[in-house]
Amino acid sequence: KAGVTQTPRYLIKTRGQQVTLSCSPISGHRSVSWYQQTPGQGLQFLFEYFSETQRNKGNFPGRFSGRQFSNSRSEMNVSTLELGDSALYLCASSWRQGQNSPLHFGNGTRLTVT
Amino acid sequence: AQKITQTQPGMFVQEKEAVTLDCTYDTSDQSYGLFWYKQPSSGEMIFLIYQGSYDEQNATEGRYSLNFQKARKSANLVISASQLGDSAMYFCAMNIGNQGGKLIFGQGTELSVKP
Repeated sequence: KAGVTQTPRYLIKTRGQQVTLSCSPISGHRSVSWYQQTPGQGLQFLFEYFSETQRNKGNFPGRFSGRQFSNSRSEMNVSTLELGDSALYLCASSWRQGQNSPLHFGNGTRLTVT
Repeated sequence: AQKITQTQPGMFVQEKEAVTLDCTYDTSDQSYGLFWYKQPSSGEMIFLIYQGSYDEQNATEGRYSLNFQKARKSANLVISASQLGDSAMYFCAMNIGNQGGKLIFGQGTELSVKP
């Protein structure tokens, strides 16, 4: 069974640009969550989608947005990039929403903003 | 406020020995889940073990066990018979209620296994 696939693996953008990251969950998984990982702030929750609906949102500005498609694939978008957006963005999927359903993570997309 | 605290930024262990990674949590919710993840230098987060707040027995998964002490709000990870491949960052995490996809992570512990 294929794991969570994130594309691209690496991305270099300039301040002010926008970027779209893609995530394909494990087959059969309907919940997709996104996290930002930085050396200073650690791992922070961005948002969670289940059945194409955003179920939870973290404390990030509106420049960060996401969506989920009917096949459970998800994208996140960051507009008007800032230097501080440089981070490893991790996507995770689980087969259902629920406390005891472990998240399975992808390898991440490393975004560098110059 | 919900919080996870990992007080050991870095640890060393000799190959084949056991090691305990500390994790304390703070929540006023009665229903929560506790997780441990491993992150090698490649970046992928690997799920290791889960403990539910209502589980009476400590969780075990192969060489990993979770020492759950609810009254002390601690969820320490024990790795038995350490291997060189265990060298990585280890994160303790928690979710609350039905917010399954929203994990609160600790700052992590970097484990180095020495031959």
